[in-house]
Amino acid sequence: EAQVTQNPRYLITVTGKKLTVTCSQNMNHEYMSWYRQDPGLGLRQIYYSMNVEVTDKGDVPEGYKVSRKEKRNFPLILESPSPNQTSLYFCASRTTRSRDRDWGYGYTFGSGTRLTVV
Amino acid sequence: GQNIDQPTEMTATEGAIVQINCTYQTSGFNGLFWYQQHAGEAPTFLSYNVLDGLEEKGRFSSFLSRSKGYSYLLLKELQMKDSASYLCAVRDQGNNRLAFGKGNQVVVIP
Repeated sequence: EAQVTQNPRYLITVTGKKLTVTCSQNMNHEYMSWYRQDPGLGLRQIYYSMNVEVTDKGDVPEGYKVSRKEKRNFPLILESPSPNQTSLYFCASRTTRSRDRDWGYGYTFGSGTRLTVV
Repeated sequence: GQNIDQPTEMTATEGAIVQINCTYQTSGFNGLFWYQQHAGEAPTFLSYNVLDGLEEKGRFSSFLSRSKGYSYLLLKELQMKDSASYLCAVRDQGNNRLAFGKGNQVVVIP
């Protein structure tokens, strides 16, 4: 089954304790992205990656890091989490090739990670 | 850049029809998507428009006018399970980015 697998689903952590949220896709998509979603603010892009070893900041990158060492994986790292990073996080992937079957579907999203930083 | 605008919330009765609008501004249009998102869950794909006109998929239809920078999603024969947020997203031709509107919350009441 074509999917984006994101872990963990729920995480409660303390301020300053480094954490990683993993994301993996099995669709050979070039483009991967991390979003956070907060009430009233919609989906906001944190970081994205156009391909292996190519990453770039989205709209709200402060306090986050990413890496793209392999095509399928795109982990999100919070080196020193703070309470304002409490949010619902989504990883998503899509193709960048207009001839791919997936072109007309846009993003496939992971199930989400509900992060609480206390 | 891209600018996408959606109304925030609407309430409709089971069995009714509801239209959700989306207006956008983009430097290079390359497709518009509609997603459905239930509370706390991931967005799921509903429809895709790249040419002007109406795309129909069962109870859901989506319309696009590129000259007006406007799309709507039409939900017919509303069911309780249609209570969700509906997100409009536009793909930019230049940078291949997909920008999302903030979503329109639809509440279906009996």
